[in-house]
Amino acid sequence: EVQVVDSGGGLVQPGRSLRVSCTGSGFIFGDYAVNWVRQAPGKGLEWVGFIRAKAYGGTTEFAASVKGRFTISRDDSKGIAYLQMDSLKIEDTAVYYCSRDGFDYWGQGTLVTVST
Amino acid sequence: SYELTQPPSVSVFPGQTARITCSGDALPKKYVYWFQQKSGQAPVLVIYEDIKRPSGFSERFSGSSSGTMATLTISGAQVEDEADYYCYSTDFSGHYWVFGGGTRLTVV
Repeated sequence: EVQVVDSGGGLVQPGRSLRVSCTGSGFIFGDYAVNWVRQAPGKGLEWVGFIRAKAYGGTTEFAASVKGRFTISRDDSKGIAYLQMDSLKIEDTAVYYCSRDGFDYWGQGTLVTVST
Repeated sequence: SYELTQPPSVSVFPGQTARITCSGDALPKKYVYWFQQKSGQAPVLVIYEDIKRPSGFSERFSGSSSGTMATLTISGAQVEDEADYYCYSTDFSGHYWVFGGGTRLTVV
C-alpha cells in the first residue's frame, strides 16, 4: 500500500530553524519527485518547492517567498525527503504537506508554528 | 510573479452543473492540475494535465482548457462536492509553480 507521511512540525521562534520530513512507502521512492505545499491558517494552498528524482538530477526549485531560506534534500535509501527551514518568519506559520510527483498521494500535513 | 486567477466562490443547486475557471497567461503552453480540498483534509487531485481524471474518481468531474483559461466542470453537482477547489500550474519558464487563490463551491 502506498503511503506518504509528513512529520516534524512544531513551535519555533522567529529566526530559528526547523526540519520536517516526508516518508514514503509502498513504492520506489527514488523514482519520484517530492513536492512541498503549505497552507497558512484560513488561507489557500501555496507551492513551496520540490526536489526532482536523481534520474533527473535531483535538483530543486523554490517559491520566491522561501528561496534562500529553505532547502530540500532526499535520502532514497530511507525513503525520506527533508524540508530544511532556516531564518523562519512568523508568516511561515502553516500546515506543510508533502506529496509524491503526480500529486496522487499526499501526507496528512504537519503544523509549523513560528511565534515568540 | 506569475498568478492564476479563480473566482472566490461558485454556488449551484444540487443536480446543476458547476463550472470553476482558472486564468493565467502561460496556460496555452502549460498543463493545469485541479485539487479538491475539504475542511481539515489534505488536497485531493481531481484533474491532471488539463483533462485527465485519476482512476476511480467520479466521472462527474471533467477538465478543459482553451487559450488562457482552464475550466473544471462538475456535472450534476452533489452536496458532497462542496469544497475548496484549486488550480495549479507553472509559469513559462517551468521553474516556478503556483496555485490559484481557490474557489469555494457551495451546493445548496
